[in-house]
Amino acid sequence: NAGVMQNPRHLVRRRGQEARLRCSPMKGHSHVYWYRQLPEEGLKFMVYLQKENIIDESGMPKERFSAEFPKEGPSILRIQQVVRGDSAAYFCASSPPTDTYEQYFGPGTRLTVT
Amino acid sequence: AQSVAQPEDQVNVAEGNPLTVKCTYSVSGNPYLFWYVQYPNRGLQFLLKYITGDNLVKGSYGFEAEFNKSQTSFHLKKPSALVSDSALYFCAVRDRGGYQKVTFGIGTKLQVIP
Repeated sequence: NAGVMQNPRHLVRRRGQEARLRCSPMKGHSHVYWYRQLPEEGLKFMVYLQKENIIDESGMPKERFSAEFPKEGPSILRIQQVVRGDSAAYFCASSPPTDTYEQYFGPGTRLTVT
Repeated sequence: AQSVAQPEDQVNVAEGNPLTVKCTYSVSGNPYLFWYVQYPNRGLQFLLKYITGDNLVKGSYGFEAEFNKSQTSFHLKKPSALVSDSALYFCAVRDRGGYQKVTFGIGTKLQVIP
């Protein structure tokens, strides 16, 4: 059973470009969470999605950031017009529809904005 | 609102000695509590969880944690540290009454000295 997949693992963007981060949850998992980890900081919750629904986006910056989890395909975290402060590791986690309490994390995407 | 405090940025321990990584939490109701470990350039791996029952929880790689409701603590422990335990450790909390949003601490770097 493959784990949570994230791609790309490393992404370099120039200021003003768009970044698209993909997350494929574990098989059978319908809940997806995105987190951001800044250097020397902890893991910050961004958004919680179920298939075709955003459940909680309280951790998402109001502008430039969006997330989706379509009926088919991976979850996408999209950052428009990236700035240097967006440079971070972005982690996706998933959990099954029946609550097992823990979340399963992907390896992360390291975004560097130049 | 729920929160987690990990008061130590770094813990140093000699190989073979017992280790403790501290965590205190705050939730409005009763908590679910978790520990995760992160190795360099990797995602988070689940170590253990407290859901209900025995206050002493045993997890992966010989780690255990003790839930103390009166002190609102959930310290991570291991009787004999290994060099390979050196990593970043995150405590996390989830309110039983809420949905699956988890709040993470900022992490404690554990350094096991040979």
